[in-house]
Amino acid sequence: GAVVSQHPSWVICKSGTSVKIECRSLDFQATTMFWYRQFPKQSLMLMATSNEGSKATYEQGVEKDKFLINHASLTLSTLTVTSAHPEDSSFYICSASGDTEEQYFGPGTRLTVT
Amino acid sequence: QKEVEQNSGPLSVPEGAIASLNCTYSDRGSQSFFWYRQYSGKSPELIMFIYSNGDKEDGRFTAQLNKASQYVSLLIRDSQPSDSATYLCAVSGGRRALTFGSGTRLQVQP
Repeated sequence: GAVVSQHPSWVICKSGTSVKIECRSLDFQATTMFWYRQFPKQSLMLMATSNEGSKATYEQGVEKDKFLINHASLTLSTLTVTSAHPEDSSFYICSASGDTEEQYFGPGTRLTVT
Repeated sequence: QKEVEQNSGPLSVPEGAIASLNCTYSDRGSQSFFWYRQYSGKSPELIMFIYSNGDKEDGRFTAQLNKASQYVSLLIRDSQPSDSATYLCAVSGGRRALTFGSGTRLQVQP
């Protein structure tokens, strides 16, 4: 149980374009989903927390207009990186939790902006 | 001051030995504690979680929590080369968002 998928697993895009990443909980209802970013050899940095049907709560320093998060259902959250730039290249990972506090992570999406 | 501290390592142990990974946290109100394993290039995988003081065992893994000392540890018995990874300690204050340590890299030597 507690399987979370992400799509795509990797993406290369040109500077200035937008990229959408999907996060799905496959076998449970995720009341809360989280989006993290991880740079090489660094730990995970929480970007935002989203609850189904509510606006996402962004961490300090994360631009809400640049990283658009939608949590439309109990099994799906999306992160859209708008007007991507090379410095946005990173490993983006979502996690989901249901009735308990344990978070289960998706496999991650490696974004490269050229 | 970092909220969750871990020694970055690498911690090197021989195969079959006990690996001991440590973590301290600064928020005394923290309620839930998690250990994740992350292989290079992969996302974290939940290994253990512990909510109460004391020990919690699951197979070769034992999590230990001491809230008075604000200390949580993970013991891995009979370490295997496949256990070589970065181990992330994570702490929750009850609002569900986790604060992660920077991770300890474990190397199990065959």
